[in-house]
Amino acid sequence: GQNIDQPTEMTATEGAIVQINCTYQTSGFNGLFWYQQHAGEAPTFLSYNVLDGLEEKGRFSSFLSRSKGYSYLLLKELQMKDSASYLCAARLDSNYQLIWGAGTKLIIKP
Amino acid sequence: EPEVTQTPSHQVTQMGQEVILRCVPISNHLYFYWYRQILGQKVEFLVSFYNNEISEKSEIFDDQFSVERPDGSNFTLKIRSTKLEDSAMYFCASLSPGGAAGELFFGEGSRLTVL
Repeated sequence: GQNIDQPTEMTATEGAIVQINCTYQTSGFNGLFWYQQHAGEAPTFLSYNVLDGLEEKGRFSSFLSRSKGYSYLLLKELQMKDSASYLCAARLDSNYQLIWGAGTKLIIKP
Repeated sequence: EPEVTQTPSHQVTQMGQEVILRCVPISNHLYFYWYRQILGQKVEFLVSFYNNEISEKSEIFDDQFSVERPDGSNFTLKIRSTKLEDSAMYFCASLSPGGAAGELFFGEGSRLTVL
């Protein structure tokens, strides 16, 4: 079966760093996405990892270990606007049938 | 910046009625998708569409659902006889031809409420 796990909720302080973990077990794997979703809005693309290692993009970085079925999203210099749900999604094959995690609700406190 | 547009933004319908949700993908994109998200739950894949036909569909996409690209620009999702459990946000997404980097572009979503 297909399974993606990520924490339900995390709390962090403005200006700090937070790491959101995601583990996956899928039949077939062709990359791991991170999306940000504010309440009532569409998901917006943050990152895509297909090879092992760290991809850095401004304040956000994403890491993938294919052998461990593990990814994380690292957010630095947290801002209040980063309060949102962060969705981890695995691409099973070349057809973009994404399997989504339930999302991690990130709460930023002043 | 090009974007995926969806209409209506919100539709309320009676159980058993037919609903058509419309999407205009980004013009040079070739792959189109419908996803849904029941309130408070995870995003779920419904169907993917390429070259004017369904390329893959999930278990959720049963006989009451259909998709069409009637005029080369619109991409529609039809729900023939809506049920209460069809109440959800429906997202259309498209992928560019050079989408090796994997970025799906999502529309703002259509919220369907079935009474």
